[in-house]
Parts: sequence; structure tokens; C-alpha cells
Amino acid sequence: IAGITQAPTSQILAAGRRMTLRCTQDMRHNAMYWYRQDLGLGLRLIHYSNTAGTTGKGEVPDGYSVSRANTDDFPLTLASAVPSQTSVYFCASSDSAGTGESPLHFGNGTRLTVT
Amino acid sequence: AQSVSQHNHHVILSEAASLELGCNYSYGGTVNLFWYVQYPGQHLQLLLKYFSGDPLVKGIKGFEAEFIKSKFSFNLRKPSVQWSDTAEYFCATRTNAGKSTFGDGTTLTVKP
Repeated sequence: IAGITQAPTSQILAAGRRMTLRCTQDMRHNAMYWYRQDLGLGLRLIHYSNTAGTTGKGEVPDGYSVSRANTDDFPLTLASAVPSQTSVYFCASSDSAGTGESPLHFGNGTRLTVT
Repeated sequence: AQSVSQHNHHVILSEAASLELGCNYSYGGTVNLFWYVQYPGQHLQLLLKYFSGDPLVKGIKGFEAEFIKSKFSFNLRKPSVQWSDTAEYFCATRTNAGKSTFGDGTTLTVKP
């Protein structure tokens, strides 16, 4: 079934540790996104990539980095995790960054707890 | 800058009641409008979308939304809710440059 796969599903991480959240899509979508979802705050964009080889910062990029080496993969790295990064992380994609009509397709999310 | 406001944070209804969730947006240019639904423990899924044409759009599971340009609104409606509609609902805009903005979400609880 075509879609977005995120791994891991959940993770408990000690503060200060490095962590990479994986995201893979098989829909050949150009644009990919990382959001965090926190209670009462909705979804906030962390980083995005309009096409392979390019990335950009969203609303809340501090403490996170991304790479887009190819169309399918868009990993999110926390270099040194802090408790405020405890959240549910969603990866999303759309088939065109420059067309607002395309909806976002979301992965199942990664629940991250930083202790 | 875009913003999306969802006025109801938590709505509780009995089965068969009618639903209307408010969504207002602010943006000076052309926007495309979406409603997403997130069932408990699941990811967001597209419910319906509007970008042109008939301002009354129909989505999955009996949902519909009306775009009122003069009011900058895109309210979600359903004539008769079911217990299975219990979920969180997000209104979102997307510019033609591809920038998406989400509202804070409305949690709907339907009592059987």
C-alpha cells in the first residue's frame, strides 16, 4: 500500500542523546515535511523539502536538522535531545510543493519522550 | 502571514446531532482550504478540500464544508454525527506556493 512509513513508532530518549526519526514515502512526491503535534498547539512545521537536494526551515526548526538525499527519504535528526522536544512527530508529503491544491499525506507518527 | 482559527476546542455531541465546526482564516492572497481528521491513535487524513468552483464541497463520510469568501470562513458540517466520528478535526490553508497553515484543532466527542 502506497504511503508514508515512519520509524520508530515510539521512543523514550534520555536528554542529551542524538536521535534520528526516519521517514520514507513511496508515492514519488516532490515535497516532504516534518511537523510536531503538541496538545493545544496543533501542528507546527519543523522543516520542509520542496524537492530532493533542498531543505528549508519551518516555524520551529531549532534543535532539529533534516536531509533530503533522494526523493523517498526525509530523516529528522535531534542532535542533542531536550525534554521540550517531547512530542508526536508527523512526516508528510505532497505531490507538488508549488501547487496549493495538493493535500498533504501523513505518516502514522512517532511518539517521542525525552526524559 | 497566514493564520487559521478554530473557535471550538472541544465539542461534545450525542449521536444523530448536527455538527458545525468553525474555521476562519486570514491571508491576503489566494488560499486553498482543507479539513483533515485524526482518529484516536491515527495520523491525519484528508476529509475534504476546496480550491475553486462550487463553494459547498462534499467530503468523505457525509461531511461537507462551505467556503464563504466574505467571511474568510470554511466551516465543516455534518447533519447527523455518529459515534465513529469521534476524532480531532483540523482546518488548514495552503497557498499556491505550497505553504500550509493548520488551526489548533477541534476535538469532537460523540456520545453513543
